[in-house]
Amino acid sequence: QSALTQPASVSGSPGQSITISCTGTSSDIGDYSYVSWYQQHPGKAPKLMIYEVNNRPSGVSNRFSGSKSGNTASLTISGLQAEDEADYYCSSYTSSTTLVFGGGTKLTVL
Amino acid sequence: EVQLVESGGGLVQPGGSLRLSCAASGFIFSNYWMNWVRLAPGKGLEWVANIKEDGSEKYYVDSVKGRFTISRDNAKKSLYLQMNSLRAEDTAVYYCARGKYHPTPWGQGTLVAVSS
Repeated sequence: QSALTQPASVSGSPGQSITISCTGTSSDIGDYSYVSWYQQHPGKAPKLMIYEVNNRPSGVSNRFSGSKSGNTASLTISGLQAEDEADYYCSSYTSSTTLVFGGGTKLTVL
Repeated sequence: EVQLVESGGGLVQPGGSLRLSCAASGFIFSNYWMNWVRLAPGKGLEWVANIKEDGSEKYYVDSVKGRFTISRDNAKKSLYLQMNSLRAEDTAVYYCARGKYHPTPWGQGTLVAVSS
């Protein structure tokens, strides 16, 4: 039940694109397409941004996209906006019928 | 509107107990797996436990096995987390969240502080 590995922080200027990686194992990301990404602003509840690797819930901007290769998933945010500044977490379903989260990545919009 | 509202958090001494509740509305509660997830100060999200629609299956993160118990009452549309033998490292905001593979939505959370 080790946490997925994410970079602690990423940054970008308005209008630019950034990518956040999330590395797991063959027992979670590598074995399932149930990879999700959450956005959390301080003091707020996490919000689902991407599910099943590359699907956006209704209402989420198409500037957010996801992908997966092997044991690593990625979240890309294009056309960065000030309101994108938040913590981002990846999550994966696991072979133990549990969920596991990444350590979180703080996105700073410069 | 789908809504989850947690309650029951508070300050408790190490070794103490607390029972969290999550009241669900706006959806058919008995049709969904449910989760508890926590966010400790300065740390990332940690999945704590989940429970099947009918309560027949329950799973826990290793660090709470034997101390925490997840349960549900579908008639009352409520999810619970009984927390015993609490430790300082259990201090966190606890969220309930709907769904087995990609929990959504989440409640606003309830703060549990374990300190003497």
